[in-house]
Amino acid sequence: QQQVKQSPQSLIVQKGGISIINCAYENTAFDYFPWYQQFPGKGPALLIAIRPDVSEKKEGRFTISFNKSAKQFSLHIMDSQPGDSATYFCAAVTGGSYIPTFGRGTSLIVHP
Amino acid sequence: KAGVTQTPRYLIKTRGQQVTLSCSPISGHRSVSWYQQTPGQGLQFLFEYFSETQRNKGNFPGRFSGRQFSNSRSEMNVSTLELGDSALYLCASRSGLAGGQYNEQFFGPGTRLTVL
Repeated sequence: QQQVKQSPQSLIVQKGGISIINCAYENTAFDYFPWYQQFPGKGPALLIAIRPDVSEKKEGRFTISFNKSAKQFSLHIMDSQPGDSATYFCAAVTGGSYIPTFGRGTSLIVHP
Repeated sequence: KAGVTQTPRYLIKTRGQQVTLSCSPISGHRSVSWYQQTPGQGLQFLFEYFSETQRNKGNFPGRFSGRQFSNSRSEMNVSTLELGDSALYLCASRSGLAGGQYNEQFFGPGTRLTVL
């Protein structure tokens, strides 16, 4: 059973456009929602994270929107750049385990 | 501060063999987790070690095992390799202090295992 559903599987945007990746979860015990960015040949790296007591968090061009009632959260990449081309994973963590449950990933390609 | 290192980076084995992968965490980090990454299943949690004890375990068969040493370095072993074990094996470390807020984990570059 996939506890964190991520969409789309792949995404192609033009330079300067907005990239949007969505995730949904079922387990209401999740209380921390990180996003990871992975480049080829590298391990995932934390990009931005949010707790469910806020509805939005912004860091530079990256914004997480969180809808607790709908159990959904999304990553928005504003002014997307070719250097943003990577695989993005959403994740959800329960405080008791500290182990993230990952979505399946989104391969983002930003065309110059 | 040096990041998480994993050795070897690439490995080719044949079915039935066993393999041992190594992970050196960030200095001061006591928790080491292992993940299997495949195109079909994504990132799946294998197990976590904290202060030489397995603290959490994912849903993998007993062929997958691990251990952690007193210096926090960790090894993962897979016995009787199957073709489906071909994957990128990632190690992640974090401070892992029990009872605290979620500590961010830092991933290594992974070991690419190919089983022929």
